[in-house]
Amino acid sequence: AQKVTQAQTEISVVEKEDVTLDCVYETRDTTYYLFWYKQPPSGELVFLIRRNSFDEQNEISGRYSWNFQKSTSSFNFTITASQVVDSAVYFCALNYGGSQGNLIFGKGTKLSVKP
Amino acid sequence: DSGVTQTPKHLITATGQRVTLRCSPRSGDLSVYWYQQSLDQGLQFLIQYYNGEERAKGNILERFSAQQFPDLHSELNLSSLELGDSALYFCASSVADGQGARELGDVAGYTFGSGTRLTVV
Repeated sequence: AQKVTQAQTEISVVEKEDVTLDCVYETRDTTYYLFWYKQPPSGELVFLIRRNSFDEQNEISGRYSWNFQKSTSSFNFTITASQVVDSAVYFCALNYGGSQGNLIFGKGTKLSVKP
Repeated sequence: DSGVTQTPKHLITATGQRVTLRCSPRSGDLSVYWYQQSLDQGLQFLIQYYNGEERAKGNILERFSAQQFPDLHSELNLSSLELGDSALYFCASSVADGQGARELGDVAGYTFGSGTRLTVV
C-alpha cells in the first residue's frame, strides 16, 4: 500500500530557528517521486521540490534543504533560519504508480514561525 | 498564475443541491486530476482524466462525477450535497498519461490550480 506519514501535526518556532519537517513514506514501487508542497493561509498549493527514487542526493535551495534516505523511507525538509513568511502547512506527497499516476499526500504539518 | 484555471473560486450552496466545478489545464497538459481537501480527510485524490478518458479513480463518492471535454477542460459535478462535502477542491494537470507511455514532464510534474472553496450550508 502507498502511504505518506507526517507525524508532526503542528510545529511552532521562533524566527531564525532551524526547523525540520519529517516525512516517512511507504511504497512497493521501485520507481516513484516524492514531493513537498507549501500551503500558505491563502490556500494555494505551492510546489517546492520533486525528487525521484533513484536520486538520493540531498538538495539545498536557499534556506531550504531536503534529506532523502531510501534506507529509512524518509524525505525530510529543513528550513534554516526560519522567517515569519514560512508560516504555512507543508505537505509531503508520493507519486502513485511510478511516474504516471496521482499523488498521495500526507496529512500535513502546520508550521508557525513567531517573530 | 500557474496556468491551471479553476472556477469559481468560492461557492456557497445549500444541502441537497448540485454544483459544477470547472478546471482548465495548463497548455499542453492532457491529464487532469481532481483532489478534495477537507479538515478531517486531508488532501485526497478523487479522479484522473487523460485526453477525455478516465484513467484512475480514488475516493470519489457516487454522488460525484467528472468528465473531460474535447478542449481538455474538465468539470467535477457534485450532487445531493451534504454538509460534509464542504471542502477545498483542487484541480491539477500534467503531461503524464497515467499508463506510463508519457511520464511527468517538467520539474514540478504537476501544476495545481488555486482551488474552489465549496461551502454547503
